[in-house]
Amino acid sequence: SQTIHQWPATLVQPVGSPLSLECTVEGTSNPNLYWYRQAAGRGLQLLFYSVGIGQISSEVPQNLSASRPQDRQFILSSKKLLLSDSGFYLCAWRWGAEAFFGQGTRLTVV
Amino acid sequence: SQKIEQNSEALNIQEGKTATLTCNYTNYSPAYLQWYRQDPGRGPVFLLLIRENEKEKRKERLKVTFDTTLKQSLFHITASQPADSATYLCARTTSNQFYFGTGTSLTVIP
Repeated sequence: SQTIHQWPATLVQPVGSPLSLECTVEGTSNPNLYWYRQAAGRGLQLLFYSVGIGQISSEVPQNLSASRPQDRQFILSSKKLLLSDSGFYLCAWRWGAEAFFGQGTRLTVV
Repeated sequence: SQKIEQNSEALNIQEGKTATLTCNYTNYSPAYLQWYRQDPGRGPVFLLLIRENEKEKRKERLKVTFDTTLKQSLFHITASQPADSATYLCARTTSNQFYFGTGTSLTVIP
């Protein structure tokens, strides 16, 4: 069966520090992968999606970037975090018409 | 722009009653809509999908309707239970992306 792993679960980082969040999917190949951010009390904002290795589409301009170095690995990065980058980050993959989410990373920038 | 909107106000209902949540869309005609459940601190979990040619879809105590004339989907939970308390999200998909509404928080009062 397919599973999605996302880590870490929580992260506290100082302003200006770098960020790397990793997401991996097991049990499938060539999945569509997604990074979402959810601010407190807000909806899910699509940040990036990828339909294949090295193929990244950005939905909104921001302080973040994404990479897909391997078929089932999706990485969210930042060189210098801002306070506004705080939020709940979710990785997801697509199976047919359904999205399957990881458990999320709660990022607090202090 | 294409929008998908949910009533952002929280919904409180008595246990045993039917909860009805609304999802409206504008400026496009989705081929299908989806509903997800999100518990605090967790990623959304897929519940149901309804296609534009389906008036109604059921799964146990859940029922989803799709009215293309009103541009609206309704999500019903019958015989609600405190365990149904969560945030419910509707979503639309394009060929590659998923876009989510802001969600409606449901609290079922014992």
